[in-house]
Amino acid sequence: QSVLTQPPSASGSPGQSVAISCTGTSSDVGGYNYVSWYQQHPGKAPKLLISEVYKRPSGVPDRFSGSKYANTATLTVSGLQAEDEADYYCISYAGGNDVALGGGTKLTVL
Amino acid sequence: EVQLVESGGGLVQPGGSLRVSCEVSRFVFINSWMAWVRQAPGKGLEWVGNINPDGHVTGYMDSVKGRFTISRDNGKNSLYLQMNSLRAEDTAVYYCVKDWGWHTFDFWGQGTRVTVSS
Repeated sequence: QSVLTQPPSASGSPGQSVAISCTGTSSDVGGYNYVSWYQQHPGKAPKLLISEVYKRPSGVPDRFSGSKYANTATLTVSGLQAEDEADYYCISYAGGNDVALGGGTKLTVL
Repeated sequence: EVQLVESGGGLVQPGGSLRVSCEVSRFVFINSWMAWVRQAPGKGLEWVGNINPDGHVTGYMDSVKGRFTISRDNGKNSLYLQMNSLRAEDTAVYYCVKDWGWHTFDFWGQGTRVTVSS
């Protein structure tokens, strides 16, 4: 199980945009288009926000978007709202039955 | 609405055993890869392991290999995690998750807390 690098914290004011990075290697993030992002509010289970780098499941607001360049995936939250304050995690397929997980980013809405 | 409901967590002494269960509904369990993901207090997510639809293929993180076993009963729409030789560092909330594919976890249970302490 590999570890992806995420910034421990990020912040922004309501209405602003915030980008959270997730850096891996060519063996995980850079090698496959299977990066997913999860939102976790305190005391709750994580929830899938983005799959396959940029795809939003039904019900996820289009304020959440995903992208990838080389070995780094990025989650962008646009038009920040108070309810976006949460922890965010990235996960990447890493070949075979291997998986890589990010350490999580705490997003604060100022 | 898809539901995954874990049960069986609790307090166990170091070296002890515990089995947690997950009952699922409203999706085709028999066709789905399933996994367990855990989260230690104040820490990030850790993939514990997974199991294929017919239960014949499993995978585990290194630190639990030989101690934990994942199994399933497709007739009961249930997933299990048998944990033996438990250590303090296994203390965590254990989530039952549906694996859509390529380690993308589209549905999560509410979690069950396991505490390993004397």
